[in-house]
Parts: sequence; C-alpha cells; structure tokens
Amino acid sequence: QVQLQESGPGLVKPSETLSLTCTVSGGSIGIYFWSWIRQPAGKGLEWIGRIYTSGSTDYNPSLKSRVTMSVETSKSQFSLRLSSVTAADTAVYYCARSRGAISYYCDYWGQGMLVTVSS
Amino acid sequence: DIQMTQSPSSLSASVGDRVTITCRASQTISTYLNWYQLKPGKAPELLIYTASNLQSGVPSRFSGSGSGTNFTLIISSLQPEDFATYYCHQSYTTSQTFGQGTNVEIK
Repeated sequence: QVQLQESGPGLVKPSETLSLTCTVSGGSIGIYFWSWIRQPAGKGLEWIGRIYTSGSTDYNPSLKSRVTMSVETSKSQFSLRLSSVTAADTAVYYCARSRGAISYYCDYWGQGMLVTVSS
Repeated sequence: DIQMTQSPSSLSASVGDRVTITCRASQTISTYLNWYQLKPGKAPELLIYTASNLQSGVPSRFSGSGSGTNFTLIISSLQPEDFATYYCHQSYTTSQTFGQGTNVEIK
C-alpha cells in the first residue's frame, strides 16, 4: 500500500520560505507525477503544482513565481518550496501521487500538514 | 484557468438517501474529471476518475457520469461513513483546478 507523509515546519514567518517534504513508502517513486495541493481553512482545494521523476514541473500560474518543486528519487522524497509567504498561504498542505496517461488523477494522498504563516 | 462550479455547496441528507452532486466546467474538459472525498484529519480519497471510472476499493454505491462541461456524482444509498465533503477536479489543462466542494451533512 502506497503511503505519503508530509513533513516540515508547521510555523513560518511572513516573507520567509515555506519548505515541505513528502516521503513516499510502499511503492516506487518512479514513472509518476507527484503533486502538491493545499486547502486554506474554510476554503476549497487549490492545486499548487506537480513534478515528474525526471524533474520536469508544472505550476499553478498564480503561484508560479514563488514555487519550486524538486524530487530526490534515491530517498523516495519530493519537496515544495514557497517563497515570500503571507498569511494567505496558511493552509493544510497535501502531497499526492498523480497518475494517468492523458487524464491525470491523484490516487494516493498524504494526511495533510497544517502550515501557519505568522510572526 | 478553467473554473469548476459545484452544486449544491452543501446538502443535508439521511442514511439511505440518493444524493446527487453536480460539477460544471467553464469550458469543455472532455472526460478529464475526477471526484474526491475529504474528511477532517484523514487523507483525501479518490472516488471516481476520468468521469465515470470507479477507483479500486470504492463502494459501488458511488458512480460518476458526464462529459464536456457537465458532470454528476451519485451516491445511490447514503451510508453513515459518506458524510464528508466532495470535490470535483479537472486535469484537462496543465493548470488543474478543483470545484469549491459540496458538504454532505446528516439530516
């Protein structure tokens, strides 16, 4: 059974960089896209972006200038960095495995990690 | 970005009820539409992918249909464990988007 687990600081100061890592277990990290999705309190889901194991990325245009994703296949991990954070970036952050050939869907998700932006 | 509009935003239903949730895309997305269930403190669960395909392990009371811009998720007989929030998700464009969610509450 594939499992994903988010980790990183739960509190980030305004203007600093949010950094999260997702560790994949129970399956290979290869041949899939790996996605980040977030949910601000009381709001819906927002797709942040995805990375393929080759390192190619797709980002949400509204966040693109601040987002960097990376993957470390030897550790079965992928990461998210979001720079210049504000209170609006406070959310539960999910990592997920994205699969498909043309139509993509997230079939495994982490439980989510609350990240609060506050001084 | 493609806007995804779900309706209703919330509903109250009883165990055994048939529940229908709709999702409308602002432009055609073929069948590139997925449905997820979210419960507080739990990992989200994929229910339906590519509009009508039931994800392995998901009960058959869940079904999906639609193409183009109009999609439907049906729960044929609501069970206690189905009280949750449901989201549609389009992957037609590289910049993927979700609906705003439908909260299914106990009546």
